[in-house]
Amino acid sequence: DGGITQSPKYLFRKEGQNVTLSCEQNLNHDAMYWYRQDPGQGLRLIYYSQIVNDFQKGDIAEGYSVSREKKESFPLTVTSAQKNPTAFYLCASSIRGFETQYFGPGTRLLVL
Amino acid sequence: RKEVEQDPGPFNVPEGATVAFNCTYSNSASQSFFWYRQDCRKEPKLLMSVYSSGNEDGRFTAQLNRASQYISLLIRDSKLSDSATYLCVCNTGKLIFGQGTTLQVKP
Repeated sequence: DGGITQSPKYLFRKEGQNVTLSCEQNLNHDAMYWYRQDPGQGLRLIYYSQIVNDFQKGDIAEGYSVSREKKESFPLTVTSAQKNPTAFYLCASSIRGFETQYFGPGTRLLVL
Repeated sequence: RKEVEQDPGPFNVPEGATVAFNCTYSNSASQSFFWYRQDCRKEPKLLMSVYSSGNEDGRFTAQLNRASQYISLLIRDSKLSDSATYLCVCNTGKLIFGQGTTLQVKP
């Protein structure tokens, strides 16, 4: 089965800690994205990558970092600089940049 | 003004009813549009793509009005399983998501 997987489903972060969210796809899509969703708000773009070894900041990149070393993988690190990290994080992919996007099941990040 | 605006609702309708949601967008250069469905605490799933004047898929019809810069989603013969939040998305070169409209279909 082709699809997008994200792990973990729930993640707890302590103050000052960096945490990494995993996103893997086996759809052979070139482009991958990270979004953040807060209650009552639309999805906001954090980072995106249209090709391996290249990525760009989205609208709310501060406090986050990414890497794209493999086509299948696009991990997101939430650093201690992100002061309000509690949210639902969604990874998506598309065949090419900013076409129809397909989402993984998401990771809920909570701060202890 | 938000780039994509939706009435958050909730829209409460009885089974079998026809319901319509509107979505307005501010960027006249928007190239294409999408409707996604999102169930509570789940990821968005693509419902429909809209590239020209509209699209129809079974009970669901999307219409695009470029002059007035809005797209609509019409759901006929509502089912209990249609209860969800519907996200309007505009492609301006990147995807811009509305906050969603919540639909609750009652028996």
